[in-house]
Parts: sequence; structure tokens; C-alpha cells
Amino acid sequence: SQKIEQNSEALNIQEGKTATLTCNYTNYSPAYLQWYRQDPGRGPVFLLLIRENEKEKRKERLKVTFDTTLKQSLFHITASQPADSATYLCAPPSHTGFQKLVFGTGTRLLVSP
Amino acid sequence: ETGVTQTPRHLVMGMTNKKSLKCEQHLGHNAMYWYKQSAKKPLELMFVYSLEERVENNSVPSRFSPECPNSSHLFLHLHTLQPEDSALYLCASKKAHNNHNEQFFGPGTRLTVL
Repeated sequence: SQKIEQNSEALNIQEGKTATLTCNYTNYSPAYLQWYRQDPGRGPVFLLLIRENEKEKRKERLKVTFDTTLKQSLFHITASQPADSATYLCAPPSHTGFQKLVFGTGTRLLVSP
Repeated sequence: ETGVTQTPRHLVMGMTNKKSLKCEQHLGHNAMYWYKQSAKKPLELMFVYSLEERVENNSVPSRFSPECPNSSHLFLHLHTLQPEDSALYLCASKKAHNNHNEQFFGPGTRLTVL
């Protein structure tokens, strides 16, 4: 069955540095992958989508890469700020189809001033 | 705000109670979802409705009963729950015609079963 792996340990970085979060998937090849941000006690918020034919996607300080050979997506936040502290979720589509996403456990990012 | 609202935001219930969670979206979407989120676990998909028809029931126990009376509203009826059902219940919606479309989530209902 599909497996989505994100680093379950929190990532602590200093303000101004680049945060890099990893999403690995196994047992299938998704056509795209979505990234969401979740703050404590709130629902996830969509950030970016990257398709399998796109190596890289950018949005302001965010950058996502998609390596279909390594079966991995990397999510980067450059010039990180304390307000970027949140849990980031990786979500490729389910291989069983129909409008379903499979969410990873998420990686918590803590940006200290 | 995401355009998806959920009520109540917090709910405490006993194992013998019956309660309902409500979700409403104001985005003109036609697919709606219920997810369960427990601590340290990924979001678990419970139900999917598309065009008001249930298209997915992810092996959810019958003590959870969804209802989708129209494309803007989704309910989750709860009865005889167990303490392990305590979790954050999230509703989401999207436009169904394109599989790539992102999901818009509500703020969730924090459920505690005593």
C-alpha cells in the first residue's frame, strides 16, 4: 500500500535560515503532490502543488521540488521567520483514486528569533 | 478564513450520547470530506461525498454516520462513541471536476469522549 513518510521529529532553525522538509513516498508514482500548512488546533491550509513533470515550483519564499526517481519531494522556506512555525504536511493523491489525498504525519517547524 | 465553517468547535460527550457535527462551505464546491486527526497520526479520511453522493466510506465504524443534504452542508452524526474516538474532526471541500484541485479545510471540531 502507499506510504508517505515525513520526518516526525521537529525541525528547529534560526530566523533567516532556510528550512528544508522532506517527503518520501513508496509503492506508487503520484502524478502530483500537494503541500499544506497546519497551525495548532486548526485545519490545514493549501500552499503549493507540484506535478510530476515539474522539477521545481516556487511561491514567494517557498520552493518545492519533486524527484520522481528518488520518490521524494523537498519543501524549502527561505529567509524563515518565526511566523513560519507550523506543521507542514505532504499530500500526494491516493492511488485508489477519486479525489482523495493521502496525508503524511507532517513535520513541525520551529523558527526561533 | 477558508470559507469552510464547522460547528461546534469543541464538544464533550459521554459514550451514551448522540450528537452531530456540522460543516458548511460557501465556496461553491461539490465535493466534501470528513477527516479524523489524532495526536501523532496522519489525517485519516473517513468519508467523501461528491455531488451529494457518498463515494467513499473508509471502513469507518457505524457509530459514525455522515449526511450530505446538499452540496453546501455536511453532517457527521455520532452515537455510542468510545474514548478512542476523541480527536480533531476536520471537514474539507473542493471542486470535484479536477483531481488536482486543492482541499479547503474548516477549523475542525475538537471532540472529547468521556
